[in-house]
Amino acid sequence: QLVLTQSPSASASLGASVKLTCTLSSGHNSYAIAWHQQQPEKGPRFLMRVNSDGSHTKGDGIPDRFSGSSSGAERYLTISSLESEDEADYYCQTWSTGMGVFGGGTKLTVL
Amino acid sequence: EVQVLESGGGLVQPGGSLRLSCAASGFTFSSYAMSWVRQAPGKGLEWVSAISGSGGTTYYADSVKGRFSISRDNSKNTLYLQMNSLRADDTAFYYCAKASMASAVGGFDYWGRGTLVTISS
Repeated sequence: QLVLTQSPSASASLGASVKLTCTLSSGHNSYAIAWHQQQPEKGPRFLMRVNSDGSHTKGDGIPDRFSGSSSGAERYLTISSLESEDEADYYCQTWSTGMGVFGGGTKLTVL
Repeated sequence: EVQVLESGGGLVQPGGSLRLSCAASGFTFSSYAMSWVRQAPGKGLEWVSAISGSGGTTYYADSVKGRFSISRDNSKNTLYLQMNSLRADDTAFYYCAKASMASAVGGFDYWGRGTLVTISS
């Protein structure tokens, strides 16, 4: 069964870096995922696609502070030089034939 | 500029029906699969349904199978979601999402702002 697992919360200080993790269920190490950001009271926004080889493709207008990487079943989103506007929920998403899957989301607090 | 804009949300009684629309612009609509994703108040994102670029293949989450129907009119660049037998747990913001590919659910690379559906008597 295709499942994505995320930690419910994370926090980091203004100007620091944070690395969020999305873990694919067993047997799905080759799957690409997409990261989406949802700021308070807004719709989601596509950040990037992260492939199993660690390559990533960002969405329109996504700053260089956002980057993606991969290791085994884990897909990462790293945000550097944190700004207050980065405080948001971050969701990973993947898909198989006939099915879309979201992780539970990570609420990022910028201290 | 790619844009997707949902409409059609509102307050409906349990057991009722509603049709959502999503108007797309800024890309070749028929070349990409589209999905509906919902978010109940205070909860995470839940994929609901997808349709291929041609409209020939549709997919549904188990939670809506048999009650919801997705369709598209490529001549009008519009996506639809017909929702029947609505229940209280269908209450959510419904988002239209563009996939990055034509033939599968895909990764979503553009989102709409959402439309609120409230099921209540």
